[in-house]
Amino acid sequence: DVKVTQSSRYLVKRTGEKVFLECVQDMDHENMFWYRQDPGLGLRLIYFSYDVKMKEKGDIPEGYSVSREKKERFSLILESASTNQTSMYLCAAFSNTEAFFGQGTRLTVV
Amino acid sequence: GQQVMQIPQYQHVQEGEDFTTYCNSSTTLSNIQWYKQRPGGHPVFLIQLVKSGEVKKQKRLTFQFGEAKKNSSLHITATQTTDVGTYFCAGHQGAQKLVFGQGTRLTINP
Repeated sequence: DVKVTQSSRYLVKRTGEKVFLECVQDMDHENMFWYRQDPGLGLRLIYFSYDVKMKEKGDIPEGYSVSREKKERFSLILESASTNQTSMYLCAAFSNTEAFFGQGTRLTVV
Repeated sequence: GQQVMQIPQYQHVQEGEDFTTYCNSSTTLSNIQWYKQRPGGHPVFLIQLVKSGEVKKQKRLTFQFGEAKKNSSLHITATQTTDVGTYFCAGHQGAQKLVFGQGTRLTINP
């Protein structure tokens, strides 16, 4: 099975801090995704990447950026964290048929 | 914005009753996938449908993809307490962008 690992399960950051959320996959999948999950809103796509150094904006990219320097690693960056970015963040790697998710990072911005 | 709509948002049933969740897209999807997220867990892939009008079964779960490839449904027959969780549909818009519905949270009275 593909394993997708997110660097932190829980994170508390202060408003204005720069925040890095790391995601690593152990297979050779090209497509990787970052979602945030909020009650009643489901999984909303922030950014995705279909190759090294390639990235595409999802549906809610404002306030976020991403980095994909190596195929196995896809990082989500909050340039200046705000309280409305408090959420569960989920990273996924996609094979030809299914998405494999990490365990999620619950980020609280205070 | 998000263009995959899922209803209902919540469903509470008695154990043994049936359950159905519906997914609708504003655009034609190349495929539809279904995921299940247990409380406290991350989404886990259930199935992918690709062909127009396709119907697939997994034990008590029946998945259907509409003729126009814009809608899908998941039906669970005779629910059990192990079916508790949130069910998401997801579809590809274009080659790489994977978008999710808002999810249907299923709770069951034993």
